[in-house]
Amino acid sequence: GAVVSQHPSRVICKSGTSVKIECRSLDFQATTMFWYRQFPKQSLMLMATSNEGSKATYEQGVEKDKFLINHASLTLSTLTVTSAHPEDSSFYICSAREAGGDNEQFFGPGTRLTVL
Amino acid sequence: AQKITQTQPGMFVQEKEAVTLDCTYDTSDQSYGLFWYKQPSSGEMIFLIYQGSYDEQNATEGRYSLNFQKARKSANLVISASQLGVSAMYFCAMRVFSGGYQKVTFGIGTKLQVIP
Repeated sequence: GAVVSQHPSRVICKSGTSVKIECRSLDFQATTMFWYRQFPKQSLMLMATSNEGSKATYEQGVEKDKFLINHASLTLSTLTVTSAHPEDSSFYICSAREAGGDNEQFFGPGTRLTVL
Repeated sequence: AQKITQTQPGMFVQEKEAVTLDCTYDTSDQSYGLFWYKQPSSGEMIFLIYQGSYDEQNATEGRYSLNFQKARKSANLVISASQLGVSAMYFCAMRVFSGGYQKVTFGIGTKLQVIP
């Protein structure tokens, strides 16, 4: 089956620094990638939808200047958390939808961000 | 390696009937969590139910219950009295903690459609 990877799997950073998380589709081309944030008690919040070559669509309440999303190619989307603060600590999950696929969605393994 | 298998890519259910969505998992970790999400066409992921690997009783949340069979490594979702609003994609997922790292694995999903 299709594989989506995320890098890094875990990152610890100081408050005020920026962190970049990569999401890659390894064996398929993804025209659309989604970024989610998982909260305690398992709730999964959709942050934004990114389409290759165009600006990401952010969900209401998500600061687009703080969570920069770039979908530069059909296999790579990046999420940059700028000026990270402790409240940004969370588990971030990406997913990818295959180009021309039957709306199947494949998820990455997640990235644990801890901001000190 | 962790794996989630959902063998029903699509299902139909008559309104007001109960339905079971299958999910089997594979992991060598002793401590893990299993959960189900519902994804309507909007793309958001709605958390439905969670089952910890050490929980002795099956989880229930309203019309959703999780049939946890640890020996069989299955975590089927049971939806009672299906209503039209239940039509959506349903994802089974597992989260494990291994060596200080956290990893989540999603199944490919089951598309459930309720027939009036």
